[in-house]
Amino acid sequence: GESVGLHLPTLSVQEGDNSIINCAYSNSASDYFIWYKQESGKGPQFIIDIRSNMDKRQGQRVTVLLNKTVKHLSLQIAATQPGDSAVYFCAVSRGAGGGADGLTFGKGTHLIIQP
Amino acid sequence: GAVVSQHPSRVICKSGTSVKIECRSLDFQATTMFWYRQFPKQSLMLMATSNEGSKATYEQGVEKDKFLINHASLTLSTLTVTSAHPEDSSFYICSALFESNYGYTFGSGTRLTVV
Repeated sequence: GESVGLHLPTLSVQEGDNSIINCAYSNSASDYFIWYKQESGKGPQFIIDIRSNMDKRQGQRVTVLLNKTVKHLSLQIAATQPGDSAVYFCAVSRGAGGGADGLTFGKGTHLIIQP
Repeated sequence: GAVVSQHPSRVICKSGTSVKIECRSLDFQATTMFWYRQFPKQSLMLMATSNEGSKATYEQGVEKDKFLINHASLTLSTLTVTSAHPEDSSFYICSALFESNYGYTFGSGTRLTVV
C-alpha cells in the first residue's frame, strides 16, 4: 500500500543553523508534494510545494528538493529561528492529478530550535 | 486568499450525542473538500472526500453512518459525528482544493472531546 515516512521523529538544531527534514514516499504516480508546519493545536500551515515536473523550488528561507528516482523529498530551512520550532509534515498526492484524491501525510518531524 | 474557516475550534460533548463541524471556504468556491483526523502525536489521516452535490467518498475503515458529510453548497461542507464515543475524541481538520488540483488549504481544526 501507499506509505509516506520520515527518517527522524525529532530534529534539534541550533538557532541560526540550517536544518534538513527528509521524507520518503512510495507511490510513483504521485505528482504533487507539499510541506506543512503544524504548531500545537492548530491546523497545518502551508510552507512550500513542488510538482513532479520540478526537482527544486525555493521560497523565503526554505527550499524543497524532489528526487523522483528514489522517491525522496526534503525540506531545507536556512538560518533557523525560534519560530521555526514545530512539527513538519510532508504530504504527497495520492496519485497523478495533484491533490484531487487527497493527500497522504508523513509521520511528522518535530523540529526543535535550540537558543 | 484561499481561506478555509472551520468551526467550532473546540467542542466537548457527552457520549452518545452528535456534533456538527463546519468548514467554509471564504473567498473561493470549493467543489471538493476533504476531512482529516489526527490523533495526539500522530499524523493526519484522510477520512473522506466531500464533493459538492454528491455523496462523500469514505476511506477504508471510516464508518459513513457515523461520520456524516454534507456538501450542499460550493462554500460549505459539514461533518457530523453521530452517537459520539470517547474513542472519537480527536482533532478533525478540513481542507479544500483551489487553483484546480494544485492548491490546498486547511482549516484551523476542531478539537473534539467526548466525555
